[in-house]
Amino acid sequence: EPEVTQTPSHQVTQMGQEVILRCVPISNHLYFYWYRQILGQKVEFLVSFYNNEISEKSEIFDDQFSVERPDGSNFTLKIRSTKLEDSAMYFCASKAGAYEQYFGPGTRLTVT
Amino acid sequence: QQQVKQSPQSLIVQKGGISIINCAYENTAFDYFPWYQQFPGKGPALLIAIRPDVSEKKEGRFTISFNKSAKQFSLHIMDSQPGDSATYFCAASSPYSNYQLIWGAGTKLIIKP
Repeated sequence: EPEVTQTPSHQVTQMGQEVILRCVPISNHLYFYWYRQILGQKVEFLVSFYNNEISEKSEIFDDQFSVERPDGSNFTLKIRSTKLEDSAMYFCASKAGAYEQYFGPGTRLTVT
Repeated sequence: QQQVKQSPQSLIVQKGGISIINCAYENTAFDYFPWYQQFPGKGPALLIAIRPDVSEKKEGRFTISFNKSAKQFSLHIMDSQPGDSATYFCAASSPYSNYQLIWGAGTKLIIKP
């Protein structure tokens, strides 16, 4: 069964460093999302991406964040200068049509 | 208005019992209501979903009940099993915000053997 994959599973970085989180969505899906989940809290929407551009973004997704689909398979989230409060699980999701979003296993980002 | 309120925060049910988790929303533009199951250290997995044109949807032991006038929906797990122990999230989305999922706070469900 096709699934969303994410790498790395765990990333530790120092405050102020840049990180890139990678996702491979399900191959025939057209819509891509990033969400984050701070430990013990609810999942929060960051950004949606369709047709090679951002279609929606939340207040969390400020100038420090960017997304890219560098080739036909990968979808990346870049945080330019990480802060302590960026520590969270980051989930990528994709969907083919209007509704069902399928999530990857997540990347645990720890900023020290 | 974008919030989805979920209760209870935690729930303990005996094996074989019925687990019930409730959610409420305000935004009448929401037209898709999924439930996700999450095990520790894993990503959310889509469990079951409903659209507002039906009042109930059943898949195996899992049932969503939907009350459009009350703006509430709930997840019922029949014959609850220890393997159902997980955190359950309700969510909602709207075509006017590109179907981004707005999440409830989650319910930690423990099924006692």
